[in-house]
Amino acid sequence: EAGVTQFPSHSVIEKGQTVTLRCDPISGHDNLYWYRRVMGKEIKFLLHFVKESKQDESGMPNNRFLAERTGGTYSTLKVQPAELEDSGVYFCASSQFRHPNSPLHFGNGTRLTVT
Amino acid sequence: GENVEQHPSTLSVQEGDSAVIKCTYSDSASNYFPWYKQELGKRPQLIIDIRSNVGEKKDQRIAVTLNKTAKHFSLHITETQPEDSAVYFCAAVNSGGSNYKLTFGKGTLLTVNP
Repeated sequence: EAGVTQFPSHSVIEKGQTVTLRCDPISGHDNLYWYRRVMGKEIKFLLHFVKESKQDESGMPNNRFLAERTGGTYSTLKVQPAELEDSGVYFCASSQFRHPNSPLHFGNGTRLTVT
Repeated sequence: GENVEQHPSTLSVQEGDSAVIKCTYSDSASNYFPWYKQELGKRPQLIIDIRSNVGEKKDQRIAVTLNKTAKHFSLHITETQPEDSAVYFCAAVNSGGSNYKLTFGKGTLLTVNP
């Protein structure tokens, strides 16, 4: 089966610009999660979708971040306007059932650099 | 909320030696503890996990121990090989609660020198 895919793999943007990250989960996985790792720190939870519904967005840093999952398939995470502290690696993960009741599969991540 | 501390941040060993990475957690309700390995530029992958009703679990050269009383768990890699070089993350979660998101440690960069 195809794994979790993320696009782009890298993005370099200037402060104030907008960036949209995309995640395609494993087919049939209703649960989709976004995590972020800022340089040298822990991987932190951002939010969790079940199908198209946001179950938990308590980890979203602020209102500059907007996540969507229209139709319950792929998801996008938009940062607008980007700030320097948004730099990091953004991971998407999916699971068939709510984790940890089924394994969590991560994508390769999108490395975002804001200059 | 949960807080996970992981040590050391970097670890360098000779091929064939053992490596131990330790984590502590703060929330006594946490009951599931996975370990992820992330090779350079690749995705984090689950390598082993343990639930709170078990004290130790082993899978070939990898083992995890859990001490619920002390709220710490450790990853043990024996007979290390160069391909074990990666960043290792521990994590904790309460699988029975409404807060099911993983809380990760900061990661350990393991380097196995040939």
